Amino acid sequence: ETGVTQTPRHLVMGMTNKKSLKCEQHLGHNAMYWYKQSAKKPLELMFVYNFKEQTENNSVPSRFSPECPNSSHLFLHLHTLQPEDSALYLCASSQALGGGYGYTFGSGTRLTVV
Amino acid sequence: GESVGLHLPTLSVQEGDNSIINCAYSNSASDYFIWYKQESGKGPQFIIDIRSNMDKRQGQRVTVLLNKTVKHLSLQIAATQPGDSAVYFCAENRSSGYSTLTFGKGTMLLVSP
Repeated sequence: ETGVTQTPRHLVMGMTNKKSLKCEQHLGHNAMYWYKQSAKKPLELMFVYNFKEQTENNSVPSRFSPECPNSSHLFLHLHTLQPEDSALYLCASSQALGGGYGYTFGSGTRLTVV
Repeated sequence: GESVGLHLPTLSVQEGDNSIINCAYSNSASDYFIWYKQESGKGPQFIIDIRSNMDKRQGQRVTVLLNKTVKHLSLQIAATQPGDSAVYFCAENRSSGYSTLTFGKGTMLLVSP
């Protein structure tokens, strides 16, 4: 366990389904992130939250909807996804935003859209 | 699980050899660098970091070297073991104007017994 827990580990969903990914950290970190990792690309930043406020949306399609109810929890709500959205979705946290703090990653959710 | 190593540069070594994985960065103002290890089916795991006021930092079996002149970062793994097989990628903090780390694409390390 890294201190960042993601559920579920695996998810298969149809294009008309609605599902949510959950991330939880007990490290006392104030910043949380969603990343998408595909086989042919580096980590793609999706969203950034700092003290539960969204500070960055990296031009992510609206079919991905993040939610951060508090500094320890982060959700990614999914609806009407496309097959190309299949990827590993990683959550990360850091002590603070900027300033050179390392990220702690969860194990990810392997998403398959059929 | 998905092979994040597809289309990645690959370094193949024998068990017991020393491994050197390289990373080039583009921003001369970057002031903090991290190496991550990602095993198949897992999230990236912190290995070692270095700040720009240093040129070398050692951990357990790992050493990171920073050459700011040519904007080059390397990770040296001593006495490589099969358990070291993974994708390794560097991340940089680009300092002013950026609030998040920038990640490289990664290098797959394959260790043969």
